[in-house]
Amino acid sequence: EAQVTQNPRYLITVTGKKLTVTCSQNMNHEYMSWYRQDPGLGLRQIYYSMNVEVTDKGDVPEGYKVSRKEKRNFPLILESPSPNQTSLYFCASGEMDEKLFFGSGTQLSVL
Amino acid sequence: GQSLEQPSEVTAVEGAIVQINCTYQTSGFYGLSWYQQHDGGAPTFLSYNALDGLEETGRFSSFLSRSDSYGYLLLQELQMKDSASYFCALRDDKIIFGKGTRLHILP
Repeated sequence: EAQVTQNPRYLITVTGKKLTVTCSQNMNHEYMSWYRQDPGLGLRQIYYSMNVEVTDKGDVPEGYKVSRKEKRNFPLILESPSPNQTSLYFCASGEMDEKLFFGSGTQLSVL
Repeated sequence: GQSLEQPSEVTAVEGAIVQINCTYQTSGFYGLSWYQQHDGGAPTFLSYNALDGLEETGRFSSFLSRSDSYGYLLLQELQMKDSASYFCALRDDKIIFGKGTRLHILP
């Protein structure tokens, strides 16, 4: 089954404690991206990747890191989380001329 | 930079037709997509327009006018299950989303 697997589904952490949200796709897509969703602000792009070892900043990259060492994986890293990073996060993958597939989302709370 | 504008909310009656508009600004353009998101769920793809004109997929249609930097999503024969948020998305060298339109359907 074609899917984007994102973990964990829910995460509660404290300020400053490094965390990683994993994202994996089984469709051999070149394009992958991370979005955060906040009420009234829609889906804002954090980082995206056009292929292995190729990543670029989206609209809200501050406080986040990503890596693309393999085509299937695109983890999102928060080195020192802060409360303003409390949000719903989505990973997505796709071919640029076709649809994006989204993971189930990660609800992150930073206390 | 790029930007997309769409209404924050739209209300329609079950069985009716509703149109959700999207205008955009970008320096480069490859296509406009539409996504549906139910509460608590992930966005799911509805349609993609790369060229001017109307694309039809069942009860849903999407229209694009590149000269007007404008597109819309048309939902026909509305059902209660269509109550959701709808996002237009712009593809240039990356894919960015509008803020979404919340569709309320009255019985």
